[in-house]
Amino acid sequence: AQSVTQLDSHVSVSEGTPVLLRCNYSSSYSPSLFWYVQHPNKGLQLLLKYTSAATLVKGINGFEAEFKKSETSFHLTKPSAHMSDAAEYFCVVSDLRGSSNTGKLIFGQGTTLQVKP
Amino acid sequence: KAGVTQTPRYLIKTRGQQVTLSCSPISGHRSVSWYQQTPGQGLQFLFEYFSETQRNKGNFPGRFSGRQFSNSRSEMNVSTLELGDSALYLCASSLAGTLEETQYFGPGTRLLVL
Repeated sequence: AQSVTQLDSHVSVSEGTPVLLRCNYSSSYSPSLFWYVQHPNKGLQLLLKYTSAATLVKGINGFEAEFKKSETSFHLTKPSAHMSDAAEYFCVVSDLRGSSNTGKLIFGQGTTLQVKP
Repeated sequence: KAGVTQTPRYLIKTRGQQVTLSCSPISGHRSVSWYQQTPGQGLQFLFEYFSETQRNKGNFPGRFSGRQFSNSRSEMNVSTLELGDSALYLCASSLAGTLEETQYFGPGTRLLVL
């Protein structure tokens, strides 16, 4: 079965310092992986996605993630945190179960990013 | 293009009642999925509809049901509400619901069951 594990439930950084949010996945096939962000009282917004093309994926707002098959990881990074980055981040894998070639999303438990001034 | 819209945004119900939530997908999107978000269980998949047919279903009791109309708009219904059904219900749409596609989420409906 497909699953994702976000290794940190809470990450705190200072504004202007790098951000690293860690995600490991488990999949029996070549997965599609996503990072979504959720600001308070808002819906989910896609940051970036990996679908078996380039292993280094660039997303919006300066975020990027690297797919490492050997480590089954898909960590999210940003060189310099901004106050507006404070939010909840979800690592997501698309689950093949069910109908063929249709996916449902399996979410990690989320990482709360706090950005201190 | 307008995004995914959900109505109502907030609901308060009492135990035993039923509730219907609505989701309008992005124009041209035919796949609509529903998710439940709670502090304890996180985000969990409820079901997915495509062309008025339920294609995927998560591990939720039969009290949770849904449907999709010919214009791709979807509704989900929860009957005999329980306190544990209090959650943020999110709807997402995509063109065809394939593995690689991005799902676009609405703002959610926050349901409180008293």
